[in-house]
Amino acid sequence: DAMVIQNPRYQVTQFGKPVTLSCSQTLNHNVMYWYQQKSSQAPKLLFHYYDKDFNNEADTPDNFQSRRPNTSFCFLDIRSPGLGDAAMYLCATSRGETSGTETQYFGPGTRLLVL
Amino acid sequence: SQQGEEDPQALSIQEGENATMNCSYKTSINNLQWYRQNSGRGLVHLILIRSNEREKHSGRLRVTLDTSKKSSSLLITASRAADTASYFCATDKAAGNKLTFGGGTRVLVKP
Repeated sequence: DAMVIQNPRYQVTQFGKPVTLSCSQTLNHNVMYWYQQKSSQAPKLLFHYYDKDFNNEADTPDNFQSRRPNTSFCFLDIRSPGLGDAAMYLCATSRGETSGTETQYFGPGTRLLVL
Repeated sequence: SQQGEEDPQALSIQEGENATMNCSYKTSINNLQWYRQNSGRGLVHLILIRSNEREKHSGRLRVTLDTSKKSSSLLITASRAADTASYFCATDKAAGNKLTFGGGTRVLVKP
């Protein structure tokens, strides 16, 4: 089945130790997104790629970086995780059409714990 | 700041009852979408309503949109225990492929 896959599902890192979260998709969608979701809160968009074009949200901390080496894969790098970065990180995709009916397809998320 | 605000924040009902939740937003939109999230999982798209539509149905779901009041409602009829989840509205302000999510409504359906 076509899907959005996130690995690992749970990630434990130490304060200040770089960590990378992975996302892959078999939907062949043009757009990939990374969201941060803290407990009982709305998902917050960090950045998205339209194909290879990177779009950073204005309030995304510099500590967060992303890479998209090809259509299928996208990575979230947290350079120096702080305790406040503990959250669920959601990857999503969309076709990238401008029809006005775009929906997003989400992966299961990676829950990050910072010790 | 969040585009959407949802109300109520939490809702507890008995199986078979209807569940209604509301979403308000601040700026003009292209469309409004509702997503469901089971505990500790990703979001699943439920239904999309365009800005020129007033009502839409999908199975046991009914969505309304009032652009003059900048609000939407999601009704789940004949709820089931499996409907227990958080429900988020999300607005698409322009054809820019970006969604802004509301704070969500946590729904508990008791068997």
